[in-house]
Amino acid sequence: LAKTTQPISMDSYEGQEVNITCSHNNIATNDYITWYQQFPSQGPRFIIQGYKTKVTNEVASLFIPADRKSSTLSLPRVSLSDTAVYYCLVGAISSGSARQLTFGSGTQLTVLP
Amino acid sequence: EAGVTQFPSHSVIEKGQTVTLRCDPISGHDNLYWYRRVMGKEIKFLLHFVKESKQDESGMPNNRFLAERTGGTYSTLKVQPAELEDSGVYFCASSFPMSSYNEQFFGPGTRLTVL
Repeated sequence: LAKTTQPISMDSYEGQEVNITCSHNNIATNDYITWYQQFPSQGPRFIIQGYKTKVTNEVASLFIPADRKSSTLSLPRVSLSDTAVYYCLVGAISSGSARQLTFGSGTQLTVLP
Repeated sequence: EAGVTQFPSHSVIEKGQTVTLRCDPISGHDNLYWYRRVMGKEIKFLLHFVKESKQDESGMPNNRFLAERTGGTYSTLKVQPAELEDSGVYFCASSFPMSSYNEQFFGPGTRLTVL
């Protein structure tokens, strides 16, 4: 399994764009990059997933360079409610075969007023 | 649509006692997973059901832990006898039968405290 490295914590202010970078030097060819968000006293929640280049949804954007050895989760105009732990996960997807998720230590994002 | 539910939300027991945690997945989700986070550590996989069958139980720490999913609906995780190191938050998650995403839907967790 590819190991991921991300900052332990980050602070930001309301209205700013936040970029959280994850390093995954040993990513395999068939691995996807997935980000989860976890609020206190809740289970993790899927945010976004990508394989290469850029993926955008209503919540975030995910930037993946050509070598795929890192990825950046971008949260536009954060609010206080975006304060949470953000996990970067790397793993393969097999059609018709679900797999366990491997969580790292995550990044604690704190949004300040 | 109801999400994944877990019961109880908290459980405090004494060492040596038995505790049973329950998870109700999202209706139609054949895949059901158990994870746990012990104090200060990362969330770790315990096991994976596909319907009523155990697909992968490589993360189960020892034979004091028993998971069942009779009928392929809800699941229970029993710890017997509980030890101090079993304290932590136990998460259940479920996912669609065939998904091209690593998207699992997590419940709120059960916080287990063993005294």
